[in-house]
Amino acid sequence: DAGVIQSPRHEVTEMGQEVTLRCKPISGHNSLFWYRQTMMRGLELLIYFNNNVPIDDSGMPEDRFSAKMPNASFSTLKIQPSEPRDSAVYFCASSSGLGGRDTQYFGPGTRLTVL
Amino acid sequence: QKEVEQDPGPLSVPEGAIVSLNCTYSNSAFQYFMWYRQYSRKGPELLMYTYSSGNKEDGRFTAQVDKSSKYISLFIRDSQPSDSATYQCALPNASGTSYGKLTFGQGTILTVHP
Repeated sequence: DAGVIQSPRHEVTEMGQEVTLRCKPISGHNSLFWYRQTMMRGLELLIYFNNNVPIDDSGMPEDRFSAKMPNASFSTLKIQPSEPRDSAVYFCASSSGLGGRDTQYFGPGTRLTVL
Repeated sequence: QKEVEQDPGPLSVPEGAIVSLNCTYSNSAFQYFMWYRQYSRKGPELLMYTYSSGNKEDGRFTAQVDKSSKYISLFIRDSQPSDSATYQCALPNASGTSYGKLTFGQGTILTVHP
């Protein structure tokens, strides 16, 4: 199994530009999570989907952030317009369920730098 | 007050030392307790999880939960340089509309030097 796949691995962009991060979950997993990690705040859940439906997006910082999951094998996180404070590592994770004991498998992350 | 508090360290110990990593939490509804390990430039991976108060061992690692004090610990015996990583406690919501949502501690950066 290839694990969770994220692209790009690194993204450098200028303030105001649109940024799209992509994620392919592990085949057969029905839950997908987007996290943001910074030194100051650690890992923060932005949004998660179950069976392609958004369940909780309370962690999405503001309207500049949006996420979609058009099918079971693909999700995007979009930032428009991007700002320097969005610089962070963004992780996608997937799991086979939504219960407390279901292990979340993380991708390698996308390191975003907004200049 | 954050729901989960964890000292970010950094923590530096010599090889062979016993390491103690700790988290406190405020919501008594948390029922499961997880520890994730994250190597530099990698995603976190589940290291251990436990449900009940008491100890759970897995090789050199022991997870300890004290629900009465809302305090969880991870002990590493005979620490090795390969244990150098960031360790994060993670607590999943057990009910409600955010069932399964993980709340992470800030993470403790551990370095084990030879």
